[in-house]
Amino acid sequence: GDSVIQMQGQVTLSENDFLFINCTYSTTGYPTLFWYVQYSGEGPQLLLQVTTANNKGSSRGFEATYDKGTTSFHLQKTSVQEIDSAVYYCAMRDRYGGSGNKLIFGTGTLLSVKP
Amino acid sequence: GGIITQTPKFLIGQEGQKLTLKCQQNFNHDTMYWYRQDSGKGLRLIYYSITENDLQKGDLSEGYDASREKKSSFSLTVTSAQKNEMAVFLCASSMNNNNQAPLFGEGTRLSVL
Repeated sequence: GDSVIQMQGQVTLSENDFLFINCTYSTTGYPTLFWYVQYSGEGPQLLLQVTTANNKGSSRGFEATYDKGTTSFHLQKTSVQEIDSAVYYCAMRDRYGGSGNKLIFGTGTLLSVKP
Repeated sequence: GGIITQTPKFLIGQEGQKLTLKCQQNFNHDTMYWYRQDSGKGLRLIYYSITENDLQKGDLSEGYDASREKKSSFSLTVTSAQKNEMAVFLCASSMNNNNQAPLFGEGTRLSVL
């Protein structure tokens, strides 16, 4: 069935390190893809989304490229800061959602950035 | 600006108890959603509703009921709380048919004794 896979459950970095969070998806066609970020005690908030295959999305220094060849949507940031510590969720629009925009989420990656 | 309000923020229940969680949004969004969040399992859809009085089951609907009383509100009922259950229930909303990313509330944290 359709799914979103995040293999990294936890990533620990130091400030100014390069961030790479892996995300792959499995479905038919070219769904809209999303990255959400969830800070402690808050609900998830949209970080970026990309609707068109092979396009790149960016926000707050984070980037993700929609690669239809490898069915991937990895998240990157050149230099992380302590305030980036949060859980990051990759998601795709469910093609069976009808007119609703229901999403299929990955299991999340907890990013801890040490000062 | 708009807001999604979930009540209560914290809910402590007893095994077997029926528990109701409420969600209100003032974005005038068409669709509302209930997701369950468990550590290591991500967000899983329980129910969603694309308009007032509509109800659609998600992958995790067993053990839950939902009600879309009006466009701005969507409630979720845990029909029989399970002992030692701990989870966060997240409400979200979005417009239809335009790939708009759902916006989330801050969640209700459930603990069952």
